[in-house]
Amino acid sequence: EVQLVESGGGLVQPGGSLRLSCAASGFTFSTYGMNWVRQAPGKGLEWISYISTSSSSIYYADSVKGRFTISRDSAQNSLYLQMNSLRAEDTAVYYCARDCNGDVSCFDYWGQGTLVTVSS
Amino acid sequence: SYEVTQDPAVSVALGQTVRITCQGDSLRSFYANWYQQKPGQAPVLVIYGDNNRPSGIPDRFSGSSSGNTVSLTITGAQAEDEADYYCASRDTSSNHLVVFGEGTKLTVL
Repeated sequence: EVQLVESGGGLVQPGGSLRLSCAASGFTFSTYGMNWVRQAPGKGLEWISYISTSSSSIYYADSVKGRFTISRDSAQNSLYLQMNSLRAEDTAVYYCARDCNGDVSCFDYWGQGTLVTVSS
Repeated sequence: SYEVTQDPAVSVALGQTVRITCQGDSLRSFYANWYQQKPGQAPVLVIYGDNNRPSGIPDRFSGSSSGNTVSLTITGAQAEDEADYYCASRDTSSNHLVVFGEGTKLTVL
């Protein structure tokens, strides 16, 4: 059974940092592109980052570019999101999601999400 | 601003058919995928590649595409279909890789 389990969320002050993790199991992690998608309270879904299987292709949404860094460790079957210079508008539930079928906007499995709250 | 647009809300009577649409220039060139999200839950893929259903998704869900418009149709809507629905596609209008529509809240009456 495919499982994605996020962790690392919490309360952080503006300007602070957090590192999110996504533990993957039930599939060959190294053969799938992975993404982070977030959802601010009461708002819609926002794609924020993608990393290819070999980490050779990485993309970010403009809203996080230069502040967030996506990475992966296939030995640990884990996806990460390092978030720096956090702002109030980064408050959201952060989901990791697996690519499907080679279509970059197709995410066939999602984690349960981890809440990040940026507030003083 | 969203490059892929959806109606904010749609309602359907129990057992009737409802269509949720998504419009955007990127949809002329790239596949659309549809996600269902119920309150407090993670999104679930219900249609991929414009018109394909993942395993486990009821066959009352179907998808179609024409020009810059894609549609998600629920034939015989059930109470459990009440949810937010998002389309997603590759983004051709910016440096972003993926764009989501702003979502459609479906109410089953």
